[in-house]
Amino acid sequence: GAVVSQHPSWVICKSGTSVKIECRSLDFQATTMFWYRQFPKQSLMLMATSNEGSKATYEQGVEKDKFLINHASLTLSTLTVTSAHPEDSSFYICSADYPQLGANYGYTFGSGTRLTVV
Amino acid sequence: ELKVEQNPLFLSMQEGKNYTIYCNYSTTSDRLYWYRQDPGKSLESLFVLLSNGAVKQEGRLMASLDTKARLSTLHITAAVHDLSATYFCAVDEGGATNKLIFGTGTLLAVQP
Repeated sequence: GAVVSQHPSWVICKSGTSVKIECRSLDFQATTMFWYRQFPKQSLMLMATSNEGSKATYEQGVEKDKFLINHASLTLSTLTVTSAHPEDSSFYICSADYPQLGANYGYTFGSGTRLTVV
Repeated sequence: ELKVEQNPLFLSMQEGKNYTIYCNYSTTSDRLYWYRQDPGKSLESLFVLLSNGAVKQEGRLMASLDTKARLSTLHITAAVHDLSATYFCAVDEGGATNKLIFGTGTLLAVQP
């Protein structure tokens, strides 16, 4: 089946530094990827939609200068949290849809990245 | 703007009992998904529901979709402890974006 590999699984960084999270589609081409964040005991909130070769579309309230998204190839999308602060600590999950395999397959999710900013 | 609500938010049930989780959404959609999330983990796909009246079953879980009522249900039959997790429904916003909007989640705790 379609697999999305997300790295790192967890990261601890100091306030003011930047962190890059990668998502790779391993056996299919992901024209579109989605980035979510999830706070403890809460639901997933969509941050942005990443399209290969074009600028990401950010959801209302998400700072595009803080959360930089790059989708330079059909198999790789990255999220960079710039100048991280403790309030950015969260669980970040990427997702890709693969309509080319048929509507029944839907979306596949990465394993998530636990970011802790100290 | 599409909104997705689930209830209950928390469900504590005994092994062997049956219960239903409800997912309501505010605007028309053709695709609804159910996911399971274990603590500290990502999402595991359970069901994809694509049409009105769709019903799917896997083990002790059965999901259904009523697009006219904008309602999906996840029914748990004879619960076992291994089903303890958080369950999310998600609705495809459709159109050009195909964004998934998630429900609030239901934390299920199955007690022995």
